[in-house]
Amino acid sequence: QQQVKQSPQSLIVQKGGISIINCAYENTAFDYFPWYQQFPGKGPALLIAIRPDVSEKKEGRFTISFNKSAKQFSLHIMDSQPGDSATYFCAASMDHQFYFGTGTSLTVIP
Amino acid sequence: NAGVTQTPKFRILKIGQSMTLQCTQDMNHNYMYWYRQDPGMGLKLIYYSVGAGITDKGEVPNGYNVSRSTTEDFPLRLELAAPSQTSVYFCASGKGGSGANVLTFGAGSRLTVL
Repeated sequence: QQQVKQSPQSLIVQKGGISIINCAYENTAFDYFPWYQQFPGKGPALLIAIRPDVSEKKEGRFTISFNKSAKQFSLHIMDSQPGDSATYFCAASMDHQFYFGTGTSLTVIP
Repeated sequence: NAGVTQTPKFRILKIGQSMTLQCTQDMNHNYMYWYRQDPGMGLKLIYYSVGAGITDKGEVPNGYNVSRSTTEDFPLRLELAAPSQTSVYFCASGKGGSGANVLTFGAGSRLTVL
């Protein structure tokens, strides 16, 4: 059973556009929601994270929107750049265990 | 500061062989994890440890074993390798505690079982 559902599986965006990746969860005990970015041949690296008591968090061009009642959260990448091309994983955490989504492969076309 | 180091980076095994994937971290993190990554499946937790001498199963522990004799090292043992264990394996560590538990991942170990 997939604890965290992520969509879309792949995404192609023009340079300068907005990339949006969505995730949903069921377990209300989750208390931490990070996003990880992974480049080919590398391990995932923390990009941005949010706690459920906050509805939005912004760091530079990256924003997490969090809807606690709907049990959904999303990553928005503003002014997408070719260097943002990577695989993005959402995750949900409780009791120091992390459950990851299936990943979104983002390609930003110059 | 090396972070999380995994060895080997690549390995080919024959069915039935055994091997150990090594993982070491130099950040004095209490929490360590082993994940496997398969195409379209995301990261699945195999085993984790909250400190030296303590390990616990994750979502997909069958066919694997771990030990945690020191804070720094968390090796993953594959016994009787099967083609289903062909995957990329990631070790990660985290500080834990009451704050956000940020995971630091290694570069991965790609294992092929033929």
